[in-house]
Amino acid sequence: LAKTTQPISMDSYEGQEVNITCSHNNIATNDYITWYQQFPSQGPRFIIQGYKTKVTNEVASLFIPADRKSSTLSLPRVSLSDTAVYYCLVYNTNAGKSTFGDGTTLTVKP
Amino acid sequence: GAVVSQHPSRVICKSGTSVKIECRSLDFQATTMFWYRQFPKKSLMLMATSNEGSKATYEQGVEKDKFLINHASLTLSTLTVTSAHPEDSSFYICSASATSPRGEQFFGPGTRLTVL
Repeated sequence: LAKTTQPISMDSYEGQEVNITCSHNNIATNDYITWYQQFPSQGPRFIIQGYKTKVTNEVASLFIPADRKSSTLSLPRVSLSDTAVYYCLVYNTNAGKSTFGDGTTLTVKP
Repeated sequence: GAVVSQHPSRVICKSGTSVKIECRSLDFQATTMFWYRQFPKKSLMLMATSNEGSKATYEQGVEKDKFLINHASLTLSTLTVTSAHPEDSSFYICSASATSPRGEQFFGPGTRLTVL
């Protein structure tokens, strides 16, 4: 399974754009990349998923370069409520599962 | 969107007893369900993968006789922690996935287990 590496923590201020990058050097051809958000004592919540190039939804954008060895989650204009842990997962089609990395703790300050 | 529920949300039990946690996909059929445990300020650790109608596949180091998993239908999976001990105290989270090459998982809210 592709191992993911993310920064342990990031700080930001309200209204700023936040970019969190995840490295997944040994991603396989058929693997998809998914990002989740988790608040304390809650299950992870789906944010966005992609395979290549750029994907955008109502809450975030996901940028994946051509070699797919990394991905960047972009959160526009964060607010205090975006303070959470963010995980990128790589789903391995052959194994039928993903492995969580350590995640990035994002702290948004006023 | 896809909703996954867990019951109970919180349970306290005595050492030596067994505890069952239910995971239900409410609005879709989950061909695969995953069980994770999470310690404070740590990431989620995959315990096992279960497919409807077949035996669960456990991750290395997870005792299958300790953590019994049943996935009897496309909407229900259960995790039973047998003869619980204080070290089993943790946050247990399930997720459900429909048949998809993208592997999108939808997570339940989690169950906090405290073993006294």
